[in-house]
Amino acid sequence: QVQLQESGPGLVKPSQTLSLTCTVSGGSISSGGYYWSWIRQHPGKGLEWIGYIYYSGSTYYNPSLKSRVTISVDTSKNQFSLKLSSVTAADTAVYYCARSIAVAGTFFDYWGQGTLVTVSS
Amino acid sequence: EIVLTQSPATLSLSPGERATLSCRASQSVSSYLAWYQQKPGQAPRLLIYDASNRATGIPARFSGSGSGTDFTLTISSLEPEDFAVYYCQQRSNWLPFTFGPGTKVDIK
Repeated sequence: QVQLQESGPGLVKPSQTLSLTCTVSGGSISSGGYYWSWIRQHPGKGLEWIGYIYYSGSTYYNPSLKSRVTISVDTSKNQFSLKLSSVTAADTAVYYCARSIAVAGTFFDYWGQGTLVTVSS
Repeated sequence: EIVLTQSPATLSLSPGERATLSCRASQSVSSYLAWYQQKPGQAPRLLIYDASNRATGIPARFSGSGSGTDFTLTISSLEPEDFAVYYCQQRSNWLPFTFGPGTKVDIK
């Protein structure tokens, strides 16, 4: 059973960089075949896909956030990470990590529990 | 970007009733559509993928249909645990993933 767990600061100051890590257990990122994504949900709102990374390090970002997003992978730790720069209050959200099969038309079959990040001074 | 629209925004029904939720895409997504259920304080849970395939462990009362731009999620007989928010999601032609705004199914 694959499990994903987000970790990182719950409070970030405006203009700083939000950094989160997702630790994967029950499966190896380096085995390939899956995209590893970050998705966020603003309080009381819908879901927004941020971007994904493949085990090789190739990435694909949501064009609306691309200029501020970096996703990286550490296969030795079976983790992938999100950095979102120049944050504002509008980046306050629950951030989820999730897995999808690396094919067109894919979907998210495993999700982390989510972590709330608040942007405030 | 492909925009997904869901209707209705809220569906008020009683346990045992049939729920019919709609998702419409701004352009064809073939059958590349998934449905998720989300309860308060929880992550979304995959219900249906490729428009009509139930995910592992999902009860048979959940079914999906449609292709192209129009999709439907049907819950044949609502159980108390089915009252939640439902999202559709697409990822067609290697474009960015997008989600619909959600339909809340609440108790009448």
